[in-house]
Amino acid sequence: EAGVAQSPRYKIIEKRQSVAFWCNPISGHATLYWYQQILGQGPKLLIQFQNNGVVDDSQLPKDRFSAERLKGVDSTLKIQPAKLEDSAVYLCASSLLGQRTDTQYFGPGTRLTVL
Amino acid sequence: GENVEQHPSTLSVQEGDSAVIKCTYSDSASNYFPWYKQELGKRPQLIIDIRSNVGEKKDQRIAVTLNKTAKHFSLHITETQPEDSAVYFCARGSQGNLIFGKGTKLSVKP
Repeated sequence: EAGVAQSPRYKIIEKRQSVAFWCNPISGHATLYWYQQILGQGPKLLIQFQNNGVVDDSQLPKDRFSAERLKGVDSTLKIQPAKLEDSAVYLCASSLLGQRTDTQYFGPGTRLTVL
Repeated sequence: GENVEQHPSTLSVQEGDSAVIKCTYSDSASNYFPWYKQELGKRPQLIIDIRSNVGEKKDQRIAVTLNKTAKHFSLHITETQPEDSAVYFCARGSQGNLIFGKGTKLSVKP
């Protein structure tokens, strides 16, 4: 079974520039998550999708971050404009149904450096 | 409220010794507690999880215990090996998403 795919793996941009990340979840998984992992910390949820609908985006900085999952499969996360504090690894995860006890499987992440 | 407190932040053991990492939480509605291992530059990988209807679960050298009354759960690794060296994260399931601890960097010295 193929795992969660993400691209790019690394991205370096200057502050105020825009950047986009892509995620393809495990086939058949209804729920997709985007996490931000700052160096030395645990992942923090940014947004959760159930199929193509948003379940939780309470911690997404909506003035600069946006995400979509238009067809309920792959997803993109965008930052516009980027700030220095956005430097982090952006992890995508998926689970089968999104229930509280479902296992979440993580992708390899995109390491973003904002200069 | 939301946070999961994880201790210690770093742990160094000799190969063959046991390692124990503890996490506490306050939301009594949580009923799923996974542990993830993250090697440097790699994705978090689930190593074991426990649901609130059991108090202990074991998988070879790894075990997790849960005390719902006291709201804490622990990861136990026995007979540690150098390849166990990594950062370990506990988490609690809430509303279908996970709240993570800050991680424990485990170093196993040969």
